[in-house]
Amino acid sequence: QSALTQPPSASGSPGQSVTISCTGTSSDVGAYNYVSWHQQHPDKAPKLMMYEVSKRPSGVPDRFSGSKSGNTASLTVSGLQAEDEAEYYCSAYAGNGKYVFGTGTKVTVL
Amino acid sequence: QVLLVESGGAVVQPGGSLRLSCAASGFTFSNFFMHWVRQAPGKGLEWVAFIRSDGTNQYYPDSVRGRFTVSRDNAKNTLFLQMNNLRPEDTALYFCASNWNYGNDYWGQGTLVTVSS
Repeated sequence: QSALTQPPSASGSPGQSVTISCTGTSSDVGAYNYVSWHQQHPDKAPKLMMYEVSKRPSGVPDRFSGSKSGNTASLTVSGLQAEDEAEYYCSAYAGNGKYVFGTGTKVTVL
Repeated sequence: QVLLVESGGAVVQPGGSLRLSCAASGFTFSNFFMHWVRQAPGKGLEWVAFIRSDGTNQYYPDSVRGRFTVSRDNAKNTLFLQMNNLRPEDTALYFCASNWNYGNDYWGQGTLVTVSS
């Protein structure tokens, strides 16, 4: 299975919003509502920011929101803060016990 | 406090084998589906293996199927990844993680595997 497609980079000024897309196929993103988003700071383990498309784990600020339309999922970060600068990866369940990650998006806070 | 601690990473020659371990504590390990995820130097995340809570089913991407085997010992709260016929492209930091589908977010800090002659 191929990696989900994400833009390599996204940026915004503090307080602004940024939206990251994650495009898959009808066999993964489009097939199940098991799309997750993971934040990774340099030399750190990933951290779950969103699961089941739009659910936030405990402790994740409500500035983070998720959505899905067809084969494309999106993560929006509103009210950008310096600590939001990181790499973001989507992941999706692809059926038959298989999973796939996105290519990753580097978010820069200007 | 939840803790996942990977070990077993090393430098190995192409064609060699390695067994990674992931020791879990602070949560009921036997209730959780678990993954192995890897990250090549400077690259993105790649899913490597998935095992159900009771160990009855294992799943892999095409890139490692037939070479890697995931298993677990729930009595010892430990997850394993047996890696055979290693290739240079298997060089990566290997993480164990709880299944994130339902909001569980437990990750280790990773163990480094380098495949080189």
